[in-house]
Amino acid sequence: KAGVTQTPRYLIKTRGQQVTLSCSPISGHRSVSWYQQTPGQGLQFLFEYFSETQRNKGNFPGRFSGRQFSNSRSEMNVSTLELGDSALYLCASAQGAHWTDTQYFGPGTRLTVL
Amino acid sequence: QQQVKQSPQSLIVQKGGISIINCAYENTAFDYFPWYQQFPGKGPALLIAIRPDVSEKKEGRFTISFNKSAKQFSLHIMDSQPGDSATYFCAAREVIKAAGNKLTFGGGTRVLVKP
Repeated sequence: KAGVTQTPRYLIKTRGQQVTLSCSPISGHRSVSWYQQTPGQGLQFLFEYFSETQRNKGNFPGRFSGRQFSNSRSEMNVSTLELGDSALYLCASAQGAHWTDTQYFGPGTRLTVL
Repeated sequence: QQQVKQSPQSLIVQKGGISIINCAYENTAFDYFPWYQQFPGKGPALLIAIRPDVSEKKEGRFTISFNKSAKQFSLHIMDSQPGDSATYFCAAREVIKAAGNKLTFGGGTRVLVKP
């Protein structure tokens, strides 16, 4: 089974621009979560989608948004980029939300904001 | 507010030694505690996980110990190998239907195993 794939792997943007990141979950997985990883703040939960509905949201400003498509693929969008948005953005997929459901992480998209 | 506190931030251990990483949590609604291992340039990978109705779980050289009353849990890596050099994260999740899959992570521990 193919793992979680994220595209692009690396991205360089300038302040004020917007960016869209993509995540393809493991086949059969309906839950997709997004996390931001930075050296200072560590791994922080952004949001989770399940069956095209946002089920959970972390403490991030409204500039961060996402969506999930009927095939479970998910996109994350950041508008009006700030320098502090430079981070590794990780996507994780899970079959459902039972405690036995493991979250599998993709390799991440490294976003650099100049 | 850091809901899961992890220590130490880094540790160095000799090959064959034991690595011990500790985590403490505050939210009593947490009911599932996974540990993830992350190598540079890769996403975190699940190592081992435990629910608090079990005090210890062992998988190969990795053992989780859980103390529900103290709200603490720890990862022991026995017979540490250079290939274990990575960053380890503890995490916690509320296992209720509405909570979904939100994981709260500790700050991470960078482990270096010297040959």
